[in-house]
Amino acid sequence: DVKVTQSSRYLVKRTGEKVFLECVQDMDHENMFWYRQDPGLGLRLIYFSYDVKMKEKGDIPEGYSVSREKKERFSLILESASTNQTSMYLCASIRESSYNSPLHFGNGTRLTVT
Amino acid sequence: DAKTTQPTSMDCAEGRAANLPCNHSTISGNEYVYWYRQIHSQGPQYIIHGLKNNETNEMASLIITEDRKSSTLILPHATLRDTAVYYCIVRPANNAGNMLTFGGGTRLMVKP
Repeated sequence: DVKVTQSSRYLVKRTGEKVFLECVQDMDHENMFWYRQDPGLGLRLIYFSYDVKMKEKGDIPEGYSVSREKKERFSLILESASTNQTSMYLCASIRESSYNSPLHFGNGTRLTVT
Repeated sequence: DAKTTQPTSMDCAEGRAANLPCNHSTISGNEYVYWYRQIHSQGPQYIIHGLKNNETNEMASLIITEDRKSSTLILPHATLRDTAVYYCIVRPANNAGNMLTFGGGTRLMVKP
């Protein structure tokens, strides 16, 4: 079974703090993704990565950056957290760029910025 | 990319089959239909996917109409733990996950 692990289930941070959200997958997947999920807005893609050290902006990259130094780990960074970044953050990975492979999600990190 | 339409909510009695419909009338010939579900405060869980043939696994069955414009997810014996939001999505042929569109889904309530 594929396992996508997000380091924290719940986080509370203050405005202006630098925040790191970590995600690790154990199936040697090439592609990894960060989404945020907000009520009424569905899942929105922040960043994705097709390989080590590669990154691509998604639909809402502003205020975020990412790091992929190792294949199994994809980090989301909030350079200076703001209250409008309070959300559920979901990491996902997929075996290859093929439409016959399911996307596997972690259990999410619920971030609150006060 | 094709969009999907699902009912906002459905109820199902425990032990009965839950049939969740999805319309995807603009689906292209090489696009797959995927189903996920999300239990409160957890990440989406993959259930099943298919192209044009009906599919079955240990979780559910997927029935896709011959014209591929709609599909139905069937949970044969719903339990209380199946209460969740169910998402039907269509996967564009030229991408992995960067163009997946999760809409509002169907909130399934399984009742005792």
